[in-house]
Amino acid sequence: EAQVTQNPRYLITVTGKKLTVTCSQNMNHEYMSWYRQDPGLGLRQIYYSMNVEVTDKGDVPEGYKVSRKEKRNFPLILESPSPNQTSLYFCASSDTSGGYNEQFFGPGTRLTVL
Amino acid sequence: GDSVTQMEGPVTLSEEAFLTINCTYTATGYPSLFWYVQYPGEGLQLLLKATKADDKGSNKGFEATYRKETTSFHLEKGSVQVSDSAVYFCALSGLGGSYIPTFGRGTSLIVHP
Repeated sequence: EAQVTQNPRYLITVTGKKLTVTCSQNMNHEYMSWYRQDPGLGLRQIYYSMNVEVTDKGDVPEGYKVSRKEKRNFPLILESPSPNQTSLYFCASSDTSGGYNEQFFGPGTRLTVL
Repeated sequence: GDSVTQMEGPVTLSEEAFLTINCTYTATGYPSLFWYVQYPGEGLQLLLKATKADDKGSNKGFEATYRKETTSFHLEKGSVQVSDSAVYFCALSGLGGSYIPTFGRGTSLIVHP
């Protein structure tokens, strides 16, 4: 089954404790990205990656890091989480051929930083 | 820059009512247009799409027509069900070869029995 998986689905942590949210896709997609979703603000892109070893900042990259060492994986790293990073996070991937690019989303990770 | 504007919600309807969620876009060129749906507790999933002017996307009773002259892609359904309660996102992509999509803020739909 074609899918994007994220782990964990729920995470409660404390300020300053480094964490990683994993994202993996099994569709051989080149493009992957991370979003956060907050009430009233819609989806905001954090980082994206056009292919292995190619990453770039989205609209709200501060406080986040990413890496793309393999095509299928795109982890999101919070080196020193703060309460304002409490949010619902989504990973997405898409093919870059064919003229249009449907986004495939993971199920989301709800993060609470105390 | 490119942008997508959706009507603010929540939109509250009774079952079997007609639904319209407005979406307009600003873009220099001819993007592909999408509607995504997010059911409670889930990620977004593609509902329908249109890749060129006058195309009509349809799925699960929902329809939207790519109107270049009005730069719009309004979502419609003739008779909503309680199970349609979700958040709906309009989006565009494909401008200038860019794969980075632009999303609207989302419109919450609540359907009462």
